[in-house]
Amino acid sequence: GAGVSQSPSNKVTEKGKDVELRCDPISGHTALYWYRQSLGQGLEFLIYFQGNSAPDKSGLPSDRFSAERTGGSVSTLTIQRTQQEDSAVYLCASSSYRGTGIGQYFGPGTRLTVT
Amino acid sequence: AQTVTQSQPEMSVQEAETVTLSCTYDTSESDYYLFWYKQPPSRQMILVIRQEAYKQQNATENRFSVNFQKAAKSFSLKISDSQLGDAAMYFCAYIIPQGGSEKLVFGKGTKLTVNP
Repeated sequence: GAGVSQSPSNKVTEKGKDVELRCDPISGHTALYWYRQSLGQGLEFLIYFQGNSAPDKSGLPSDRFSAERTGGSVSTLTIQRTQQEDSAVYLCASSSYRGTGIGQYFGPGTRLTVT
Repeated sequence: AQTVTQSQPEMSVQEAETVTLSCTYDTSESDYYLFWYKQPPSRQMILVIRQEAYKQQNATENRFSVNFQKAAKSFSLKISDSQLGDAAMYFCAYIIPQGGSEKLVFGKGTKLTVNP
């Protein structure tokens, strides 16, 4: 694909509902990242996938957050029992090399609003 | 703690002029990579420029250049001949490529306004 794509672009949900956010990385990119961007906290790392290695989940804020990456490509970020503080823009990024700092390429994000 | 500080929440510049955005960071590592990202109102984060910490030469990408001072842990971005399309949030960030994670650590951002 031409770039990282994310869906949906915007999501409004009621407090307590579960949501799934999808990310399609650039074809061939082995690394995939999720970040959260909120007014109060800025940009925060959530989770990182690299090839077949165990993901780095150190940024997930609670056990209501989980993510998976199927077939080394598409990733889904799931938030269970959403809370109002989960309202934010969720950004996905991918990169092609490990350890070279070549830079990550971001998708347009999903704006999540919890009412 | 690893941190990135952007001391200018907002900056403005006249079209065609030059502006410099400041960034300092704190890490005890010697091997890392530094980045400037641009985020226009469309939300899309765009990589502007990158710098390897082991390189003394400052990176340049067309109208964008950096002033990297490793000892001072400073990484400022200079935008020359500013254009209206440069208006955006600018984020300074770094990666420490070790272990199993290469997460970006971001500053809070600087909002750049370009006046016609």
